[in-house]
Amino acid sequence: DQQVKQNSPSLSVQEGRISILNCDYTNSMFDYFLWYKKYPAEGPTFLISISSIKDKNEDGRFTVFLNKSAKHLSLHIVPSQPGDSAVYFCAAISRYNFNKFYFGSGTKLNVKP
Amino acid sequence: DAGVIQSPRHEVTEMGQEVTLRCKPISGHDYLFWYRQTMMRGLELLIYFNNNVPIDDSGMPEDRFSAKMPNASFSTLKIQPSEPRDSAVYFCASSSTQTRGSYEQYFGPGTRLTVT
Repeated sequence: DQQVKQNSPSLSVQEGRISILNCDYTNSMFDYFLWYKKYPAEGPTFLISISSIKDKNEDGRFTVFLNKSAKHLSLHIVPSQPGDSAVYFCAAISRYNFNKFYFGSGTKLNVKP
Repeated sequence: DAGVIQSPRHEVTEMGQEVTLRCKPISGHDYLFWYRQTMMRGLELLIYFNNNVPIDDSGMPEDRFSAKMPNASFSTLKIQPSEPRDSAVYFCASSSTQTRGSYEQYFGPGTRLTVT
């Protein structure tokens, strides 16, 4: 049973607009979350993370929001660029084992020029 | 730094054959992870090592899968015998306790395995 879920397999957005990628989790022991970005034929690369003691973390065009009560996090990309087209994976870590990542199934983002 | 290196990048084999995937972690990293990516389940952790010792292999699907890390710069994931349902992309990743602040794992480019 997947403990981290990304329910949207794909998302299409116009260049310059906002992209919002969502992620839900079931395990209340998760207290650190990461987003990874993956281009075709490459491995995933780290994008941004957030600790459960925060509800927002921002890095340039990328912002991650965490809603602990809803067990939900989202990644906002503003403004979206064609180079952002990739698969985005959400991952969660438990305080009891920060080596064991639980990944979602990914959301494929397509940013149209 | 060359990053995590995986070989081969593509592997096509027939059902029943033995498959060996290889990984060289980033120099100085003391954790090594093997993942499998499928459309349905995304990225699944199969096994991870710390200082060449297997720590958690609970994600290994069945006894046909085995992994070794004979030294700090090399690991293998072996499937024997292979089956069509093993077709997936297999990633190796590494990390370091020296950079625990971010918990980041660094991924290799993956090996795309096709079992016919």
